[in-house]
Amino acid sequence: DIVLTQSPLSLPVTPGEPASISCRSSQSLLHNNGYNYLDWYLQKPGHSPQVLIYLGSHRASGVPDRFSGSGSGADFTLNISRVEAEDVGVYYCMQSVETSYTFGQGTKLEIK
Amino acid sequence: QLQLQESGPGLVKPSETLSLTCTVSGDSISSSSSYWGWIRQPPGQGLEWVGRIYYIGTTYYNPSLKTRVTISVDTSKNQFSLKLTSVTAADTAVYYCARRRGIRGVIWYLDTWGQGKLVTVSS
Repeated sequence: DIVLTQSPLSLPVTPGEPASISCRSSQSLLHNNGYNYLDWYLQKPGHSPQVLIYLGSHRASGVPDRFSGSGSGADFTLNISRVEAEDVGVYYCMQSVETSYTFGQGTKLEIK
Repeated sequence: QLQLQESGPGLVKPSETLSLTCTVSGDSISSSSSYWGWIRQPPGQGLEWVGRIYYIGTTYYNPSLKTRVTISVDTSKNQFSLKLTSVTAADTAVYYCARRRGIRGVIWYLDTWGQGKLVTVSS
C-alpha cells in the first residue's frame, strides 16, 4: 500500500494568517496520463468529509479560492491563504493512483 | 441534488456480520461516470477505505479487509451494500458511503458523502 504522511498533525492558526499542510507519499502519485491522483478533504467537526482539491491542484466547485493545492510526484501541499474560523477541522490527503486507495493520518487545524 | 443515506444495525455482536446499505437519490447508480464506495472512521481516528463498486459489479477492496468484505449493488433499488464478516471490536467505526465521480474518465474524486452510520461491535 502507498503510505501518505501528513505534517504537521496539529496546526494552530490565527485568523487571517496563512496555513500550509504537507502530504508526502511513499511512491509517486503521477499517473502515466499526466495527472497526480492526490485529493484533499476537510472534515469539519461533526460532519462528513468534503472535497477541497482533486488531482493535486484542482479546486472543487464551491471551494473558496483561499484554498490551493500544489505539488507533483510524491510531495504535495495544501495552502490556505488567510484562515477563517470556518476552516477548523481535520484535513486529509488521499491517493488514488493505485486501486487500493489510502488516506493520510489527518491534520487538525484549530484557531488560536 | 445527489444524496446518499446509510442504513443498517448500529450494534453487531463479535464474530457476526456487519451489513449496511446506502440508498442513492438524485442520480442513477447505473451512471457510467460513478463509482460507489465505503469508507470507515473508528472513533477519534482517521479515515480508511473499505472498498468500491461500479454498477456492473466490478469491485475493489482494501487488501487488509479483502477476505471479509463484500460490496454489492442493486440497480433496481438504486442501492449498494456492504457486508463485513467475522467482526471484532476493531471494526467499530462510523461507516460512510460516498460517490466517486468521474469526468472524462480521468478526473476522479469523492464529491458526495453520506452522513455516516456508527456501527458498534459489542456483545
